[in-house]
Amino acid sequence: DGGITQSPKYLFRKEGQNVTLSCEQNLNHDAMYWYRQDPGQGLRLIYYSQIVNDFQKGDIAEGYSVSREKKESFPLTVTSAQKNPTAFYLCASMRDTTNYGYTFGSGTRLTVV
Amino acid sequence: AQTVTQSQPEMSVQEAETVTLSCTYDTSESDYYLFWYKQPPSRQMILVIRQEAYKQQNATENRFSVNFQKAAKSFSLKISDSQLGDAAMYFCAYRRHSGNTPLVFGKGTRLSVIA
Repeated sequence: DGGITQSPKYLFRKEGQNVTLSCEQNLNHDAMYWYRQDPGQGLRLIYYSQIVNDFQKGDIAEGYSVSREKKESFPLTVTSAQKNPTAFYLCASMRDTTNYGYTFGSGTRLTVV
Repeated sequence: AQTVTQSQPEMSVQEAETVTLSCTYDTSESDYYLFWYKQPPSRQMILVIRQEAYKQQNATENRFSVNFQKAAKSFSLKISDSQLGDAAMYFCAYRRHSGNTPLVFGKGTRLSVIA
């Protein structure tokens, strides 16, 4: 079955460490997105990519980095510059020229310890 | 920039009753898409219903329907015959019509269903 896989489901990070969240899709979707979810804040856009080897900053890109070397993969790195990284992270993809909105992954819960 | 506002952080409804969740948005575009997503306790995001702005007819999916008022920039979700499984966070979202532009989400409404 086609879908989006996020891993790991839970991730713990020590202060000062970089961590990478994985997002893989086998839907042949062109565009991929990363959102951060905090209580009472809804979903806020971190980065997105509309095509391989290209990506754009979202509203809260500071302290995060991404790459898009393959169509299927869009990993998110949370760097030590991100001051408050504890949150729930959602990855999504969307097919070109569609009104069907996103297909979402199941999310990664990141906790700083 | 487009914004989406959900003015009800929390709502509750009795089982089998009807509830309406509010959403307003701000845009200068004439063509766009609107969505309602459900996020149950599992946190998996599920598309509930979508509306294309150029269609005047309100979208309906089984017990879920919308009241789309384009001039007022309002997009409310009505849930009829509420069930315990409807308890979740509900997010309203907007997307421009062109390209793969990102969805803009509201802050969500937490719906409780009382047995």
